[in-house]
Amino acid sequence: TQLLEQSPQFLSIQEGENLTVYCNSSSVFSSLQWYRQEPGEGPVLLVTVVTGGEVKKLKRLTFQFGDARKDSSLHITAAQTGDTGLYLCAGVASGTYKYIFGTGTRLKVLA
Amino acid sequence: GAGVSQSPSNKVTEKGKDVELRCDPISGHTALYWYRQSLGQGLEFLIYFQGNSAPDKSGLPSDRFSAERTGGSVSTLTIQRTQQEDSAVYLCASSLGGRIYEQYFGPGTRLTVT
Repeated sequence: TQLLEQSPQFLSIQEGENLTVYCNSSSVFSSLQWYRQEPGEGPVLLVTVVTGGEVKKLKRLTFQFGDARKDSSLHITAAQTGDTGLYLCAGVASGTYKYIFGTGTRLKVLA
Repeated sequence: GAGVSQSPSNKVTEKGKDVELRCDPISGHTALYWYRQSLGQGLEFLIYFQGNSAPDKSGLPSDRFSAERTGGSVSTLTIQRTQQEDSAVYLCASSLGGRIYEQYFGPGTRLTVT
């Protein structure tokens, strides 16, 4: 069974601080995505990474796919209250079209 | 354009009753997924439809769960003889298909079994 473990599970920080969320697996994924979900809504895609070692930036968010395509990280610089939400990583299982979702990181940014 | 829509948004049912949840994907999207999310946690894959291919049902937790997709568009997830542990948010997503295409999610149906 392919699993994606996210850490930390919960994170509460002050506005302006930096943070990193990790997504780890012992399995190789064809691609990996990061989503943010707010209460009462479905997840919204932030980024897709497909190449080992790939780094993508989206404003203050930096995403990295591990060289072996087994892990990923999301780094937020100078967090804002609008970054508050549930962050989910999802990998596409090898040889299938099935997305395996991580356990989630609930981020709260305090003003 | 319209996004993925789901209905109903909330459903409260008594234990033992059957429920049907509906998903309208984005027009032209060939892939459709159903997920279950409990208490704001990660998503649990249930079933995947891709075009006219046989669906991947490997995530359905029991034979009380079934899903169909008519005409390659609308999908219905049916839960028979509901149990309290079925209470969760059921999310539908669609994509153009393929392993690197973005999934677009609907707002979900919150199911409460009393």
